[in-house]
Amino acid sequence: DAKTTQPPSMDCAEGRAANLPCNHSTISGNEYVYWYRQIHSQGPQYIIHGLKNNETNEMASLIITEDRKSSTLILPHATLRDTAVYYCIVRPRYGGATNKLIFGTGTLLAVQP
Amino acid sequence: SAVISQKPSRDICQRGTSLTIQCQVDSQVTMMFWYRQQPGQSLTLIATANQGSEATYESGFVIDKFPISRPNLTFSTLTVSNMSPEDSSIYLCSVVETGANTEAFFGQGTRLTVV
Repeated sequence: DAKTTQPPSMDCAEGRAANLPCNHSTISGNEYVYWYRQIHSQGPQYIIHGLKNNETNEMASLIITEDRKSSTLILPHATLRDTAVYYCIVRPRYGGATNKLIFGTGTLLAVQP
Repeated sequence: SAVISQKPSRDICQRGTSLTIQCQVDSQVTMMFWYRQQPGQSLTLIATANQGSEATYESGFVIDKFPISRPNLTFSTLTVSNMSPEDSSIYLCSVVETGANTEAFFGQGTRLTVV
């Protein structure tokens, strides 16, 4: 079973920041938080991951709370092309078969013009 | 990042038949996985394709229904056997590259419709 909880859907105005929350209260010390997204009719796409420090890349920022029980993915300037289902997943970064990703239901982000 | 090619991209099949889906990667990868995505649903892991040994199946999936091969580090197949309309789904191949970069990459999927 997925170890994360996300709201089923969110709306965001184009050009504004999209903040997608994720709860992972049972996360283990060796587990990272990964974010993927799936644009309609495509395979999932990796966005970002982190352990306990905040992370930023060209796509997004990831804010992880100090107790690591929740996190927020931030798309700083959402565009219509960011409309997708966003999945928050926790798993160990290394570890053979534990590299498998267990998907929850995700959040459908709808960016509105 | 690894480039993954899945074939066929889509197919319409008669019930009772079988379909083999191919997954080709442009580099050697440590792990290969097969997922199913039923209409309007999230992804469900079917199995881990192990190179040189039998695949490891998740609960609810069996080898007789979903036989998997992985003859080398860049190629795997998933067969959907004795298909029924309930098997209509998107089937996706995923890989994790060898080395420190452990992000998973996904193919574009095979859209299967069983009639």
